[in-house]
Amino acid sequence: AQKVTQAQTEISVVEKEDVTLDCVYETRDTTYYLFWYKQPPSGELVFLIRRNSFDEQNEISGRYSWNFQKSTSSFNFTITASQVVDSAVYFCALSEARNNDMRFGAGTRLTVKP
Amino acid sequence: DAGVIQSPRHEVTEMGQEVTLRCKPISGHNSLFWYRQTMMRGLELLIYFNNNVPIDDSGMPEDRFSAKMPNASFSTLKIQPSEPRDSAVYFCASTLEGSANYGYTFGSGTRLTVV
Repeated sequence: AQKVTQAQTEISVVEKEDVTLDCVYETRDTTYYLFWYKQPPSGELVFLIRRNSFDEQNEISGRYSWNFQKSTSSFNFTITASQVVDSAVYFCALSEARNNDMRFGAGTRLTVKP
Repeated sequence: DAGVIQSPRHEVTEMGQEVTLRCKPISGHNSLFWYRQTMMRGLELLIYFNNNVPIDDSGMPEDRFSAKMPNASFSTLKIQPSEPRDSAVYFCASTLEGSANYGYTFGSGTRLTVV
């Protein structure tokens, strides 16, 4: 079965700092999808991005960017110029095309201090 | 689009009682997932359905848990009898199987407390 590892349990930064959240995955499939979700203190899970295994282009959305590297099985997430509102738990997840379920990493709790 | 709707938002029940959690997926989505979130175990996939058919229930903790999807717009997760260790937040999510551009949309979750 697929596996997602988020080695960073907690990260604390000061506002305006850049921060990178690491995600390493394992899968035997050649077709799979990677995700990032944000869980703010209110508890809902907010979808941020989905990337398929055939698209290694990095993506930028405002202050958010994602770096997908198949060679190292990593899908890292960078927040540029962090803000207090970025404080949340961030989850990386993996879904294999053959079984359509999605498995989550343990999450990284990001605290951005003013 | 109303999103994925879960009810109730909070449930407090006594040990031994039956608990039923409900989920209405986004209209047109044909895959539905039930997840459980605890501090100890994080987000665990319990079961998922494609086109109302259960595909993988290997994550269901034990026979006390059961899930149904009688039609495309409704699913239930039942726990009977409930135990304190079932206390968790239960999320329902839906997606459109086969779509390359959809994320999985989650409901707001049901916070279950078994005392």
